[in-house]
Amino acid sequence: DTAVSQTPKYLVTQMGNDKSIKCEQNLGHDTMYWYKQDSKKFLKIMFSYNNKELIINETVPNRFSPKSPDKAHLNLHINSLELGDSAVYFCASSLRPGGDTQYFGPGTRLTVL
Amino acid sequence: QKEVEQNSGPLSVPEGAIASLNCTYSDRGSQSFFWYRQYSGKSPELIMSIYSNGDKEDGRFTAQLNKASQYVSLLIRDSQPSDSATYLCAVNIYSSASKIIFGSGTRLSIRP
Repeated sequence: DTAVSQTPKYLVTQMGNDKSIKCEQNLGHDTMYWYKQDSKKFLKIMFSYNNKELIINETVPNRFSPKSPDKAHLNLHINSLELGDSAVYFCASSLRPGGDTQYFGPGTRLTVL
Repeated sequence: QKEVEQNSGPLSVPEGAIASLNCTYSDRGSQSFFWYRQYSGKSPELIMSIYSNGDKEDGRFTAQLNKASQYVSLLIRDSQPSDSATYLCAVNIYSSASKIIFGSGTRLSIRP
């Protein structure tokens, strides 16, 4: 049974398009995250939700909009994609915010042409 | 000063030797410390967590924490080629909504 799943695994799209990435966890965790990992492998937090409530919103362009319909799902919608958005996006979850182990999804490799 | 700092490597260690990975952090209020391993093209997976000063051992892995020096390390004994990966240090930032900040990772290569 997959603990944290993401779809799609790969996403190739043109500049200016809008795309979404979906994430689901079946661990019963309260907290979910989106991270961006760039080509230098630096893993940077973007957003975090706890029980469907946004608790972390880093300095991310407002073209990025997370949505948590319930605590098992956290989706990421990106408007007007730019070349610099190309990266691997990881979803993760933890039992509680902050000091608990985070479990990562397999990642979505986004390529903007 | 970066919140979590690691040497990027690559760190090359002969098979069977001890690999030593280091990490420093800036937030004195941090309470939770993690080491994740990431193979190329895969997602990070937890190796060890540590919350108290001292050593914590799990099989071939030992995490060491020194809060006074704001330093956490990971030792890998009897290094195997399968240990070749990037190791990410992660620290909770107590002063900022208890989020976890990842270091940039140290690439470890175990040579046969």
